[in-house]
Amino acid sequence: EPEVTQTPSHQVTQMGQEVILRCVPISNHLYFYWYRQILGQKVEFLVSFYNNEISEKSEIFDDQFSVERPDGSNFTLKIRSTKLEDSAMYFCASSDPGLSWTEAFFGQGTRLTVV
Amino acid sequence: GESVGLHLPTLSVQEGDNSIINCAYSNSASDYFIWYKQESGKGPQFIIDIRSNMDKRQGQRVTVLLNKTVKHLSLQIAATQPGDSAVYFCAEKERETSGSRLTFGEGTQLTVNP
Repeated sequence: EPEVTQTPSHQVTQMGQEVILRCVPISNHLYFYWYRQILGQKVEFLVSFYNNEISEKSEIFDDQFSVERPDGSNFTLKIRSTKLEDSAMYFCASSDPGLSWTEAFFGQGTRLTVV
Repeated sequence: GESVGLHLPTLSVQEGDNSIINCAYSNSASDYFIWYKQESGKGPQFIIDIRSNMDKRQGQRVTVLLNKTVKHLSLQIAATQPGDSAVYFCAEKERETSGSRLTFGEGTQLTVNP
């Protein structure tokens, strides 16, 4: 069964450092997303991406964040200067616009710890 | 067993019992709703979905009920098993198109006792 894969599974970084979280969406999907989940809280939308551009972003997704599709398979989230409050699970997801029911498939997540 | 949405984030049931997990949503413009299951250390996993023009949809051992009048969604799990233990989130979309954001609810921790 096709799945969304994320690397690394756990990333520890010092405050102020840049991190890049990587995702390989399901191969025939065209919409890509990043969500985050602070420990014990609900999952929050960050950004959606389609046709090589951001289609929607939340108020959380400020200038510190950026997304990129550097090649035909990877989708990345960059945080330029990490803050303690960026510590969370980050989930990548993808969906197929050809489906009438727009289910998003999620990866296993990257746990980001900022120290 | 039954949860009361955001005010009761945990639900404990005996194996074999039926479980009901409730969710209140706030956006009356939402037209598509999904239940996700999240096991510890994993990403949300799709369980079942429902469009706003329906009030009930059934899957394997699961049923979703939608009451748009009071903006309430519920997930019923029949014959709950230990493998059903997880956090359950309802999520909504404002329009049923790929690319629109999912807004998640707070989640309910379901514990199934053998």
